Amino acid sequence: ETGVTQTPRHLVMGMTNKKSLKCEQHLGHNAMYWYKQSAKKPLELMFVYSLEERVENNSVPSRFSPECPNSSHLFLHLHTLQPEDSALYLCASSPDHNRAGNTIYFGEGSWLTVV
Amino acid sequence: GENVEQHPSTLSVQEGDSAVIKCTYSDSASNYFPWYKQELGKRPQLIIDIRSNVGEKKDQRIAVTLNKTAKHFSLHITETQPEDSAVYFCAASRYSSASKIIFGSGTRLSIRP
Repeated sequence: ETGVTQTPRHLVMGMTNKKSLKCEQHLGHNAMYWYKQSAKKPLELMFVYSLEERVENNSVPSRFSPECPNSSHLFLHLHTLQPEDSALYLCASSPDHNRAGNTIYFGEGSWLTVV
Repeated sequence: GENVEQHPSTLSVQEGDSAVIKCTYSDSASNYFPWYKQELGKRPQLIIDIRSNVGEKKDQRIAVTLNKTAKHFSLHITETQPEDSAVYFCAASRYSSASKIIFGSGTRLSIRP
């Protein structure tokens, strides 16, 4: 299944590094999402984009900077992260962020370790 | 804020037995309740969902029940098999907004051979 693909799958970065996570969806969806998944915690919604426009920012620190150049691609730019930011970052998409009963399709995730 | 509580956090059952995972939600306006399964190292995938106008939904060995009055919903897996081992997430949202979906903290289900 290649509906939502994420790269890289694993990333180790220092606290002063700048890196980016990339997500691409091949489902023709209009909405894309970034979620953070930490051990023993619920999935945390970070950002929502609908047709390249950010519609939701859940109080995410500015060291995380999303970018959505078109409805198929989503980036998460990372800068001066902290060790507690180490987690699995999941990209997802859905047909529409504001329509009834949307199914959210997740990517495989990017494992981020901040050292 | 709105939240979804999920119990238990870990569950181990004998192969062939049933497994039940329970969730409660706080937003009384929630009316869409999906369940996701995440196998080790894989992405979460939708396995079943239920809308508030339905009390129960079944798909082969999986069923979900909803009690709107008590704000409870549950996942039932019968005749469990090794491939059912995974982390299961419940979620709740308002019908109109996928971006407002709130996930539970997950249940790690292990099937003993």
